[in-house]
Amino acid sequence: DGGITQSPKYLFRKEGQNVTLSCEQNLNHDAMYWYRQDPGQGLRLIYYSQIVNDFQKGDIAEGYSVSREKKESFPLTVTSAQKNPTAFYLCASSIRKDRWNTEAFFGQGTRLTVV
Amino acid sequence: SQQGEEDPQALSIQEGENATMNCSYKTSINNLQWYRQNSGRGLVHLILIRSNEREKHSGRLRVTLDTSKKSSSLLITASRAADTASYFCAPIGSGNTGKLIFGQGTTLQVKP
Repeated sequence: DGGITQSPKYLFRKEGQNVTLSCEQNLNHDAMYWYRQDPGQGLRLIYYSQIVNDFQKGDIAEGYSVSREKKESFPLTVTSAQKNPTAFYLCASSIRKDRWNTEAFFGQGTRLTVV
Repeated sequence: SQQGEEDPQALSIQEGENATMNCSYKTSINNLQWYRQNSGRGLVHLILIRSNEREKHSGRLRVTLDTSKKSSSLLITASRAADTASYFCAPIGSGNTGKLIFGQGTTLQVKP
């Protein structure tokens, strides 16, 4: 089955620890994205990548890091520098057709809680 | 900004009624997309309308686009309880930087 998979679904982290969220897609999409969603709020873009070995900061990149070593994978690391990391994290991927983004597919999300 | 702004923020209707939500944006666009999010889940793509299109249908969904007013609307006809969700628009700018940005969304509650 083709799709985009995030793991784990729930993640607990102690304050001061780094944690890495996984995002894998087998849709052959070039573009991938990471978003953060707080309760009752919209999505805020953390990082995005249009091609392997390249990525750009979104609107709230501070305290986060990413890598894009493979087309299929776009892991997000939440570092200890992120002051309020408890949130719902969503990963997405899409095709870029003639330079423009088309339909995006989303994973089911990872709910991160700092304890 | 490429971000769309959805209006209203919240909408509550009875099953069987129509629901209309709006999206306004500021830049010229190549296309505009609508998504649905059920509580605690990822977003699901509903429909994409290109800048040279004025209206598009998909089942009970009707999307209109007015590029002169920089606005779009999503109409859900004969709503069902299962339509209860948050709805987001994503305008894709003509000078697309590759970003895919969403607004705060419209939370729709359909009462049985």
